[in-house]
Amino acid sequence: NAGVTQTPKFRVLKTGQSMTLLCAQDMNHEYMYWYRQDPGMGLRLIHYSVGEGTTAKGEVPDGYNVSRLKKQNFLLGLESAAPSQTSVYFCASSPLRVLGTGELFFGEGSRLTVL
Amino acid sequence: AQKVTQAQTEISVVEKEDVTLDCVYETRDTTYYLFWYKQPPSGELVFLIRRNSFDEQNEISGRYSWNFQKSTSSFNFTITASQVVDSAVYFCALRHRNQFYFGTGTSLTVIP
Repeated sequence: NAGVTQTPKFRVLKTGQSMTLLCAQDMNHEYMYWYRQDPGMGLRLIHYSVGEGTTAKGEVPDGYNVSRLKKQNFLLGLESAAPSQTSVYFCASSPLRVLGTGELFFGEGSRLTVL
Repeated sequence: AQKVTQAQTEISVVEKEDVTLDCVYETRDTTYYLFWYKQPPSGELVFLIRRNSFDEQNEISGRYSWNFQKSTSSFNFTITASQVVDSAVYFCALRHRNQFYFGTGTSLTVIP
């Protein structure tokens, strides 16, 4: 009954360090997404993927990179972390359905603090 | 461009009162999908409802009801007889093709 799993759940980084957030889903969903949530700003899309081997930029992609080498995994990388990237990160997946009706299934979130 | 506006940042009600959360969206497409999500204090995001642009029927699920009006581009959410467990941040979202656009959320506090 895993659904969407994010690791790690918490991380503290120093400015300039790099890290990777891993998202794994076991629902065989085609679409996967990375969002960040900041107070008063709702959920903003960073990058997304419509299938294995494909990625696309969302609303706030700068400073992040992603990869989708396997259908079930979607990695979010920060090459050189900045304090502005302190946020809660959510991964989500969505099934491919007729007329695009699928809703988003979210992971539990990953809280990242950059000092 | 797609946009979702939740003008109410914070709402407080006393338990058992009814409360309506507003959602206004913008899109030029004729085919789109609207969603509501709940984020309780524990932080997870919980799917509540999906509505497509061709179906303007209102929907009721227990104490929850949704009013979709294309004429005013609104998809409002009403909680009847609110309970403390309804305290959460509620997000409205619009799906356009492969992307979901979220409003900034409404924080609802139900006071016992």
